[in-house]
Amino acid sequence: EAGVAQSPRYKIIEKRQSVAFWCNPISGHATLYWYQQILGQGPKLLIQFQNNGVVDDSQLPKDRFSAERLKGVDSTLKIQPAKLEDSAVYLCASSEHGSPYEQYFGPGTRLTVT
Amino acid sequence: AQKVTQAQTEISVVEKEDVTLDCVYETRDTTYYLFWYKQPPSGELVFLIRRNSFDEQNEISGRYSWNFQKSTSSFNFTITASQVVDSAVYFCALSELTGANNLFFGTGTRLTVIP
Repeated sequence: EAGVAQSPRYKIIEKRQSVAFWCNPISGHATLYWYQQILGQGPKLLIQFQNNGVVDDSQLPKDRFSAERLKGVDSTLKIQPAKLEDSAVYLCASSEHGSPYEQYFGPGTRLTVT
Repeated sequence: AQKVTQAQTEISVVEKEDVTLDCVYETRDTTYYLFWYKQPPSGELVFLIRRNSFDEQNEISGRYSWNFQKSTSSFNFTITASQVVDSAVYFCALSELTGANNLFFGTGTRLTVIP
């Protein structure tokens, strides 16, 4: 069974530029999560989707971050414009059911904002 | 509000030694779930265990064991006879059943096993 796929793996941009990350969850998993992991910290949830609907986006900085999961499968997370403090690893995870069931994580995208 | 504390930032052990990673949590809920995840250098978090608040039985899986004590709000993880492949960052996480039931992670413990 294929795992959670993410791309790109690495991205370097200048502040005020925009960037987008892509995630393809495990087939059949209805719930998809985006996390931000700053160096030395644990992952912090940004947004949770159930199929193509948003369950929780309370931690998403909506002035600059947006995410969509149009067909209930893959998802895109966008940052526009990026700030220096957005430098982090962005992790995508999926689960067959919503929390509190185990989540399966992708390899992440390491974003560096200069 | 929930809180997960992993006081040990970094631990180094020599191969074959036993090591215990500590996790202390805070929650107002009576029903909640606790998790341990492993993050190797490749970056992907790997699920290790989930335990609900009503099940205080200790669990053993190969060289891994978990000790859940509600009285001290702790969910500690022990690796017996550590191996170099155990080197990783280990995260403890909490999920409450109120709200969106999201995972709340601790700051992690970096374990280095020296050959």
